[in-house]
Amino acid sequence: SAVISQKPSRDICQRGTSLTIQCQVDSQVTMMFWYRQQPGQSLTLIATANQGSEATYESGFVIDKFPISRPNLTFSTLTVSNMSPEDSSIYLCSVEDPRGGAFGQGTRLTVV
Amino acid sequence: GNSVTQMEGPVTLSEEAFLTINCTYTATGYPSLFWYVQYPGEGLQLLLKATKADDKGSNKGFEATYRKETTSFHLEKGSVQVSDSAVYFCALSWGMNYGGSQGNLIFGKGTKLSVKP
Repeated sequence: SAVISQKPSRDICQRGTSLTIQCQVDSQVTMMFWYRQQPGQSLTLIATANQGSEATYESGFVIDKFPISRPNLTFSTLTVSNMSPEDSSIYLCSVEDPRGGAFGQGTRLTVV
Repeated sequence: GNSVTQMEGPVTLSEEAFLTINCTYTATGYPSLFWYVQYPGEGLQLLLKATKADDKGSNKGFEATYRKETTSFHLEKGSVQVSDSAVYFCALSWGMNYGGSQGNLIFGKGTKLSVKP
């Protein structure tokens, strides 16, 4: 299955700032997904990113808060903008693969 | 809408006990079903999956059978070990074989399993 490298693995950020998370895949994939896992909660899909088009956001998530780039078939970034403590979560990227979805290790974000 | 419901945790068992974690789903059509596991401090890993009714997914001694009639995909293991302590997530997806779907996963809330020696 696809191997995904995600960075940073963790960060502590000041409120009001922004953090960009990178996701690199070892093979070309059509769709990449960004999820959020809030403390003690399940994973929630933020958006789906296709190469060369605007990301598709799920209800409750907006582009101004979570801008996504997808410049090529192996890379994507998610930015968490104007952060508040409520944004403290694990953010994960994922790709579709025949085994049923591969995930990065996640980025543990703490906003103080 | 489409959703996954799994039993609330935490679940605490003694080593070698039998494990069942219930999972039911609501979906249009026939999605693929998955169990993911998240060990302490680690990322999410696919444990097993089933893509059609009556399929049984299995891995590391864990099993789950896709039951269309009861819309369930319960996770079982005959004899748990301390190393099985983790959070288990049930999920569904229409994956790459369903033209109308983007292939994203819908997750249950997760069940934390603690196995005591």
